[in-house]
Amino acid sequence: GQNIDQPTEMTATEGAIVQINCTYQTSGFNGLFWYQQHAGEAPTFLSYNVLDGLEEKGRFSSFLSRSKGYSYLLLKELQMKDSASYLCAVMDSNYQLIWGAGTKLIIKP
Amino acid sequence: DTGVSQDPRHKITKRGQNVTFRCDPISEHNRLYWYRQTLGQGPEFLTYFQNEAQLEKSRLLSDRFSAERPKGSFSTLEIQRTEQGDSAMYLCASSFSQGHTDTQYFGPGTRLTVL
Repeated sequence: GQNIDQPTEMTATEGAIVQINCTYQTSGFNGLFWYQQHAGEAPTFLSYNVLDGLEEKGRFSSFLSRSKGYSYLLLKELQMKDSASYLCAVMDSNYQLIWGAGTKLIIKP
Repeated sequence: DTGVSQDPRHKITKRGQNVTFRCDPISEHNRLYWYRQTLGQGPEFLTYFQNEAQLEKSRLLSDRFSAERPKGSFSTLEIQRTEQGDSAMYLCASSFSQGHTDTQYFGPGTRLTVL
């Protein structure tokens, strides 16, 4: 079967750095996406990785290792508005997105 | 430049009633997706269209669910004879397909409550 694993919840302090991990087992791989979702709102696109390595985009970076079936999202200089759920999704061999359940990130002052 | 829009934003209905939701994608996008999401879970794929053609439908999707995209622009999702288990957020996303992999952009969702 296909599986995406992420921690259910994480807590971090304003101004700090946090790393949210995602491991996956899917039938084929055509890229990995990270989305941010505030409570009661729709997911918004953050990043896309299809090759191994680190993609940096401002305060957010995303890393991929295809051989390990592993990705992480790194958030720097955390702000209170970063409190949200972060969803990892993998595009499988049928070009369908398989979603994790999301990691709820709580930022404390 | 407007994003994906959905209507209504909230719908409360009684069990057994039919409901219809509308999604207007980003204008130049050729793919349109429907998902369902419950609290604490990721989106669950329901179906998707490339232009007006419905290319895939989830095997888990009941016959009570039907979707259309008549002119390759907006789409509707209808749920017939609603059940309490249908209560969820229904999300629409659109994308512009360049080759195979594309980035999906989501609308604000329609929250359905079945009493």
